[in-house]
Amino acid sequence: GAVVSQHPSWVICKSGTSVKIECRSLDFQATTMFWYRQFPKQSLMLMATSNEGSKATYEQGVEKDKFLINHASLTLSTLTVTSAHPEDSSFYICSAPGPGPLGLRAPLHFGNGTRLTVT
Amino acid sequence: AQRVTQPEKLLSVFKGAPVELKCNYSYSGSPELFWYVQYSRQRLQLLLRHISRESIKGFTADLNKGETSFHLKKPFAQEEDSAMYYCASGGGTGNAGNNRKLIWGLGTSLAVNP
Repeated sequence: GAVVSQHPSWVICKSGTSVKIECRSLDFQATTMFWYRQFPKQSLMLMATSNEGSKATYEQGVEKDKFLINHASLTLSTLTVTSAHPEDSSFYICSAPGPGPLGLRAPLHFGNGTRLTVT
Repeated sequence: AQRVTQPEKLLSVFKGAPVELKCNYSYSGSPELFWYVQYSRQRLQLLLRHISRESIKGFTADLNKGETSFHLKKPFAQEEDSAMYYCASGGGTGNAGNNRKLIWGLGTSLAVNP
């Protein structure tokens, strides 16, 4: 089945540094990937839509200069949290629509998430 | 704008009791509705979709266009059903729809007590 791999699973960084999170589709191509933020026991918040070969589309209220997204290939999207601060500490998840029959929207396949802690 | 509403943040039931997780959507066209589930320490995964009209792990969900609802139901809840459930809506079918974002509800945490 379609698998999305997310790396790292967890990362601790110091305030002011940048952190890169990778999202890979392992056995399928994904022209689009989605990045989410999930707070403890709270909802999933879509941050941005990553588009291969073009600029990402950010949701309202998400700082694009803060959360840099690059989708340079059909199997890899990266999210870089720049100049991280403690309030950026969260669980970040990516997803990609998997392959599916024509005429039917493919289900989303999710990565395992990345726990970011900024000290 | 599209909106998905899950009115219950937390739902607690006893094992063997029926369970219904509510979901209402707003979309003027032909909606695509999904239920995704996240078990403890696992990744989010698709539970079921309205277009498939299937039962997964004993759960069913019927699209009611008149009430704009897509409630998730199970007649007899099991402890292993305890998880976070998200309802999501997307407009439009076809491959082009794959690249369009889903609109997510806030999620309902289901706790099935022994």
